[in-house]
Parts: sequence; structure tokens; C-alpha cells
Amino acid sequence: QSVLTQPPSVSGAPGQRVTISCTGSNSNIGAGHYVHWYQQVPGTAPKLLIYSNTRRPSGVPDRFSGSKSGTSASLAITGLQAEDEADYYCHSYDNELSGGAFGGGTKLTVL
Amino acid sequence: EVQLVESGGGLVQPGGSLRLSCAASGFSFDKYEMNWVRQAPGKGLEWVAYINSGGSAIHYAQSVRGRFTISRDNAKNSLFLEMNSLRAEDTAVYYCARDGGNWYFDFWGQGTLVSVSS
Repeated sequence: QSVLTQPPSVSGAPGQRVTISCTGSNSNIGAGHYVHWYQQVPGTAPKLLIYSNTRRPSGVPDRFSGSKSGTSASLAITGLQAEDEADYYCHSYDNELSGGAFGGGTKLTVL
Repeated sequence: EVQLVESGGGLVQPGGSLRLSCAASGFSFDKYEMNWVRQAPGKGLEWVAYINSGGSAIHYAQSVRGRFTISRDNAKNSLFLEMNSLRAEDTAVYYCARDGGNWYFDFWGQGTLVSVSS
């Protein structure tokens, strides 16, 4: 069981908007720790997509955005493209674990 | 260009040991915290261990505490993971990842596969 909970899968048609939720608790997201998001194409290493809740690394399209509220966070992808098909993971620090905690991952399918 | 290259993975029997290395280049290694993250076949990401820039602060996931040891050699721009008493459930691709601050991992290696099986 992951400390951070994500839906196993989401899907959307090209051009549509999808969101991926990440639900935590008062020992991680709710404690004020930042939430980060990674994109992983199967067979490759994860890639940082969003850091510190809302910030995008250089090179990440502004179609990707992050938000945080209370004990949850969300990743939104607008203008869905075929190349966005991948696994997405949220990540935060957890006080009880004294370390990092990942969500279980969400598989995005572009229909 | 930031590069992280892991090595040392392989097939090992249950109860055995293995030492993973991560060679860093393209940045000031001694200024960054580093982590190991693993991914079992077909599963999600699992944080394994953290070490601060000077090596004085270390944290482990509960699943590996007491069996794995993270260390670094800043003079050689290298990160290590010593794994002992390996179990089948330690089978995974192991990634080293640079900590960009606030526990986000901004650069990852390509990973090295560790298989624990008799």
C-alpha cells in the first residue's frame, strides 16, 4: 500500500484535458511538504515533470500543471497528445517514514 | 550535461550481497543530496535511501533498513549502495537520482537491474 494514493488509470482523447489525483495525509502533503510529479515511459527512467507543487522544469510544456490543496494534489494535462501516454507518479516527503513517498502510479492512456 | 550512470547490478542468490555504484558527471556532485529509488518488475517507484551532500545525514526506507548502506565518495563523484541479506522482493531496477532540493529528483540514471533468485 502506497502512502500516497493515485488512481490506477485515466484516459482521454487527443486534445482533451485529464487530471490525476494524489491523496496523502497529515504526515506528508497535509504537513506542508511539497508534491512533485514524474512521467515514466515504460522501459525508461522517470522524468521530473512538476516540482514544488506547481513548478515546471525547463523544457516541460505548459500543458502540464500541478496544484495542491490540503492533503491532496493534482496533475492536469491539457491538449492531450499521443506522446503523453505514460505512467505518472506523485511524490512527497513523509514525516512518519522520515523519507520519500511515492504514489502507486497512474497509467495514462490516450484514446 | 548532467549524467548519472549506475552499474553493479546482476543476478544474486537470496542472502547474498551486491554493491551498486552511480557515477556522476556534469555537475558539482559534492553540493547535492542523492537518493536511490527502485522499481520492481511491473510495479511502481519505491524510494530506498537518501544521503546528504557531505554524507553526514542518511535515511532509509523501512524495507531495507539494517540491510542496505548508502555512501558516497565526493572525490570520485560516486554514489554507492551496499546491499546485504538480499531477498527475492529486492528484485528491481535500481536508479540513482539527484535531489534538486525539497525532495524532488531532477535527474535520474538509466537504472541497473538487480535480480535475487536461486
